[in-house]
Amino acid sequence: DQQVKQNSPSLSVQEGRISILNCDYTNSMFDYFLWYKKYPAEGPTFLISISSIKDKNEDGRFTVFLNKSAKHLSLHIVPSQPGDSAVYFCAAMGYGGATNKLIFGTGTLLAVQP
Amino acid sequence: ETGVTQTPRHLVMGMTNKKSLKCEQHLGHNAMYWYKQSAKKPLELMFVYNFKEQTENNSVPSRFSPECPNSSHLFLHLHTLQPEDSALYLCASSQGGQGFGDTQYFGPGTRLTVL
Repeated sequence: DQQVKQNSPSLSVQEGRISILNCDYTNSMFDYFLWYKKYPAEGPTFLISISSIKDKNEDGRFTVFLNKSAKHLSLHIVPSQPGDSAVYFCAAMGYGGATNKLIFGTGTLLAVQP
Repeated sequence: ETGVTQTPRHLVMGMTNKKSLKCEQHLGHNAMYWYKQSAKKPLELMFVYNFKEQTENNSVPSRFSPECPNSSHLFLHLHTLQPEDSALYLCASSQGGQGFGDTQYFGPGTRLTVL
């Protein structure tokens, strides 16, 4: 039972254009969401996060949007650069309890074409 | 060294071997995690330690045995593994406790192959 879903396994975008990566979740108790980027043979690198009290968070070229009613979040990269080519994972967390447990999606492979 | 480091980066072992994976975090964090990433699957949480106490064991087989001697070090002891245990094993750390928005930071992983 996949609580966090990334339905697009891959995405190809031209350099300079916008990349939009999507993520859906099923558990309404999730209240903190993160995006990670992963290159081959490396661990995931934290990119950006958003709490459920916001609908948008921006950091440089990266913006995350959260639509709680639709249980959907997206990561926008503008402008896209070839170095952005990697696998992007979204992850969700529910507050409280003894463990802050992250649930990951399966990832989307982004290819930015020069 | 900065961030989260893991050794070895690659490991090949037979099913009867005993080996250990090591993780060290230099971020002053209090929580540490082991994850498994198999091909075509999401990252799977294996174990969590908060302030050196194990707070999560995600139904992991006993052939995987974690150890957390202090908040900076985490080990995963391996014995009598199966070929299907071949995967990328990732360590992560975070501030820990029950604070909101506890971001996890990952090490580079150990690529394990079981023959």
